Amino acid sequence: NAGVTQTPKFQVLKTGQSMTLQCAQDMNHEYMSWYRQDPGMGLRLIHYSVGAGITDQGEVPNGYNVSRSTTEDFPLRLLSAAPSQTSVYFCASSYSNIGPIEQYFGPGTRLTVT
Amino acid sequence: SQELEQSPQSLIVQEGKNLTINCTSSKTLYGLYWYKQKYGEGLIFLMMLQKGGEEKSHEKITAKLDEKKQQSSLHITASQPSHAGIYLCGADIQTTSGSRLTFGEGTQLTVNP
Repeated sequence: NAGVTQTPKFQVLKTGQSMTLQCAQDMNHEYMSWYRQDPGMGLRLIHYSVGAGITDQGEVPNGYNVSRSTTEDFPLRLLSAAPSQTSVYFCASSYSNIGPIEQYFGPGTRLTVT
Repeated sequence: SQELEQSPQSLIVQEGKNLTINCTSSKTLYGLYWYKQKYGEGLIFLMMLQKGGEEKSHEKITAKLDEKKQQSSLHITASQPSHAGIYLCGADIQTTSGSRLTFGEGTQLTVNP
């Protein structure tokens, strides 16, 4: 199994540009989520999905969209990038969100918005 | 405000020394996780604690959960440079649609040879 994969690993955007961060898992996990990690803030939940076709907002959803058309993929879209979205983004998955249960994390995408 | 508070925020120790990192919750803990992160990399799962009083060990790392105090501690014995990194505690917080994983701010550990 490849586990949780994320692309790209690094990205630089100009303010106002849009892009999609890709996340895929091959473990048939129902639950997938996106976090951002900022210094002094820990990891904060952006959006999550409990299964294909179902998504919900986390703590910091503004400026981001998600969709879950398949069990495997959970892309995160930045509609109009802002410098405040400079961060490291992690995708995670688990077979359920009825915890406690281990979540598997991808390697992260380091995004800089200038 | 943070639902999980970690202390200290950073820690510098000499190789061979013992150290403890604490994680305190403002809400009832449903499950407590410890992850380790090296700079530029993803999170590596260390341990999961579910029951009050539970204690787990892996090599030189021991984690305990004190459910009554809503607190967990991570103890490293005889630290090595390979232990350096960011340690994050995570906890399942109950919501109306299931549980949600929330994290502390992390503790940056430096081990000097």
